[in-house]
Amino acid sequence: NAGVTQTPKFQVLKTGQSMTLQCAQDMNHNSMYWYRQDPGMGLRLIYYSASEGTTDKGEVPNGYNVSRLNKREFSLRLESAAPSQTSVYFCASSEMEGYTQYFGPGTRLTVL
Amino acid sequence: SQQGEEDPQALSIQEGENATMNCSYKTSINNLQWYRQNSGRGLVHLILIRSNEREKHSGRLRVTLDTSKKSSSLLITASRAADTASYFCATVGDTGRRALTFGSGTRLQVQP
Repeated sequence: NAGVTQTPKFQVLKTGQSMTLQCAQDMNHNSMYWYRQDPGMGLRLIYYSASEGTTDKGEVPNGYNVSRLNKREFSLRLESAAPSQTSVYFCASSEMEGYTQYFGPGTRLTVL
Repeated sequence: SQQGEEDPQALSIQEGENATMNCSYKTSINNLQWYRQNSGRGLVHLILIRSNEREKHSGRLRVTLDTSKKSSSLLITASRAADTASYFCATVGDTGRRALTFGSGTRLQVQP
């Protein structure tokens, strides 16, 4: 039982490049989330998926897109990376919206 | 914008002492959750307290909630060096989106 897994762990991009961050959970959770964490700050919600087939914008969605591929997987895409997107990205899941969330180990992204 | 604000931002204590962290929030909530984050890691859920609860315990952790003051506190008793981490409160609103909104965290250092 791996919980929430994220790939890659580290990534360096040049401005304008694109990439997809992958997230998978094996807890049969309905809801999944993407957050970013900037140095010395709390997490800010980028997008979330309350259930399979639905996605909604969070607090900071600009520059990102998401896909809820199936119940297990929720990916985050940066179409044209910018230095302001340098951050640590966390994926999380919960049984239902508003319940306890379980977090992945994070992806450290640097955009040059 | 962040819903919760933790106080203090940083706290340094000796092993064996108690640590108290406070969280204030702005809007009505369904529940409030506390998470711990060790350096460079994902967040780990500690405790969830619902809006109709006033106090909750889990091992050496005690959480209180005062909805009239829109505030919560986390008490760690008999702290250990292993408790060194950042602690975040997160709220779930009672209307609309049920995603977590995080505060900026308290960095706790427990000196051995």
